[in-house]
Amino acid sequence: GAGVSQSPSNKVTEKGKDVELRCDPISGHTALYWYRQRLGQGLEFLIYFQGNSAPDKSGLPSDRFSAERTGESVSTLTIQRTQQEDSAVYLCASSSTLETQYFGPGTRLLVL
Amino acid sequence: DQQVKQNSPSLSVQEGRISILNCDYTNSMFDYFLWYKKYPAEGPTFLISISSIKDKNEDGRFTVFLNKSAKHLSLHIVPSQPGDSAVYFCAASPKLGKLTFGTGTRLTIIP
Repeated sequence: GAGVSQSPSNKVTEKGKDVELRCDPISGHTALYWYRQRLGQGLEFLIYFQGNSAPDKSGLPSDRFSAERTGESVSTLTIQRTQQEDSAVYLCASSSTLETQYFGPGTRLLVL
Repeated sequence: DQQVKQNSPSLSVQEGRISILNCDYTNSMFDYFLWYKKYPAEGPTFLISISSIKDKNEDGRFTVFLNKSAKHLSLHIVPSQPGDSAVYFCAASPKLGKLTFGTGTRLTIIP
């Protein structure tokens, strides 16, 4: 497909478990972003990858959150020891340098 | 600290009339502004953008206005159509990179 894809689309986990969320950006897009949206709130920036530069991790809420990106392709967001407040929709976006971000459909995470 | 604010959580407009969605920001370093539209269970879809060197940008039925001195932007949709019913997010960036989003306005177009 031509758009940003994310998997899984939904994830239910128990408090304390680790989860991995995956993002496949649009081919050729050098920049990749992770955001999250908690219920009734706006999108909250988490982390930003641009080419081979060091990622901007300034939005990660705690050291339980980490993300990796392989070259200019797939990215994985990992949440360790999940807490109930981690429940949210996690959104990935990609862009060509200095251009508009295009979003995937999101992963809905529910921590019980 | 909410740097981008959408003070109206919801708005209802009659089909065919003009919809005006408002957004205020506090960070004077923002120089690029975007509007996204979001349907339930989907990711946000880019709608229209404006850079700080302009005060207006138009694309079909959608026009974005920027008032830098007031730190205010607005999105006008005219004429409004039922398919425009969605949540609209305003976003801003100091350069085109990570975006700071508002909390969204739910627009309902009444047939």
